[in-house]
Formats: sequence, structure tokens, C-alpha cells
Amino acid sequence: NAGVTQTPKFQVLKTGQSMTLQCAQDMNHEYMSWYRQDPGMGLRLIHYSVGAGITDQGEVPNGYNVSRSTTEDFPLRLLSAAPSQTSVYFCASSYVPPKGGSNEQFFGPGTRLTVL
Amino acid sequence: GQQVMQIPQYQHVQEGEDFTTYCNSSTTLSNIQWYKQRPGGHPVFLIQLVKSGEVKKQKRLTFQFGEAKKNSSLHITATQTTDVGTYFCAGPRVGGYQKVTFGTGTKLQVIP
Repeated sequence: NAGVTQTPKFQVLKTGQSMTLQCAQDMNHEYMSWYRQDPGMGLRLIHYSVGAGITDQGEVPNGYNVSRSTTEDFPLRLLSAAPSQTSVYFCASSYVPPKGGSNEQFFGPGTRLTVL
Repeated sequence: GQQVMQIPQYQHVQEGEDFTTYCNSSTTLSNIQWYKQRPGGHPVFLIQLVKSGEVKKQKRLTFQFGEAKKNSSLHITATQTTDVGTYFCAGPRVGGYQKVTFGTGTKLQVIP
């Protein structure tokens, strides 16, 4: 099992450019999520999904779009990159407990994004 | 919205000393998880606590979930250089299902 994979590892964008960060998992997890990590601010939830065709907003969704057409893939789109989106982005996945709550999340290696 | 704060933000200890990080949520949590992130790495799951007042141990690490399910702590006995990293608590509020909020993290540095 590859676990959770993310591409690219590093990316530099100019302000206004768009791009898609890729995330895939091979563990058949229903739940997938995107976080951004900035110094001193922990991990902040951008968007999450509890299954194919179902997505919802996290704490900081503005400027980002997601879709979940398959169980395996959960891409994150930056529509028009801004310097404030310079960050490290992590994708994660987990099983969904039958009675609510959350489960152990498996994280990808991250994408370091710089927006000039 | 839900806020999860951790204190301290940074901690430097001599190898062999004990270390504790505290996690406080503004809302009641369904459960709480702890993660460790090594420098330059990604968060790795350590443990999950579900019940009010629950205490779990993993070798030198002791995890506690508060009675009100709004706070938690991680205690490391006799730190080692391998304990270096940032420790995060995380959890969904009651009824928040998979919307997991991470704490602000505590960065631990161990001086040999």
C-alpha cells in the first residue's frame, strides 16, 4: 500500500495563477481532508469529504475548491493564487466511524507551495 | 467556531526531564486524537481517547481526556532526543462528525 500520496512536493506560483494539488489514497477510506499548515498556527482544515460526491467546507475554505468523484482521489484547486496561500498543504484520509466522531487520520507527505 | 488551544507553544527540556502539553477546546469533543510531527515531516497518529476521564499509556507517554471532554494532556516521562517534534491534539466537536479541528501544537526540543 502506498498510503496517501500527494503531488507535487514543491510548487512556486505567481499571483493569479491557478493550479491543482493532487491527493490519492489506496486504503479505501471514506473520509479525506485538506489542511494547510502555517508557522505557529497548527493545521487548519480547508475542505473535507465523507465519500464520493460529498464535500464540505472546513475552517478556511475561501480561495479553494474541491471535488470527490472517486473514493481514491481528492484534488484541491487554487482558483487564483495569492501570496496569503503560501503554506504547506497536507492531505489526509481515514475510515468513518459508524456512530460519528472521528478516526485516525493518515497524512500524505505534503506539498510546499510558494505564491510570489 | 471551534477553537483548540495548546500550551505551551514551545518547550525546551534537558534529556531525561519530563514534559507535559495541555490541550483545551472551546467546545465539547466527541473524541480526541494526538499526533506527532517531526521537523520537516507530516503528522503521525499517536492515540485516540473517547471516554470522559480516559487515561491511556504508551511506554513513556501518558494521555488523558478530561471529565468534561473539553481538555486533554500528554505527558512524556524521561524525555529522549527521539521525542523531538511538534505534538498536536485534534478532535471533532460533539455533532461535528468528521470536521476535525487541530490544536495549535506544542513544539518540543530536547537538549542532550
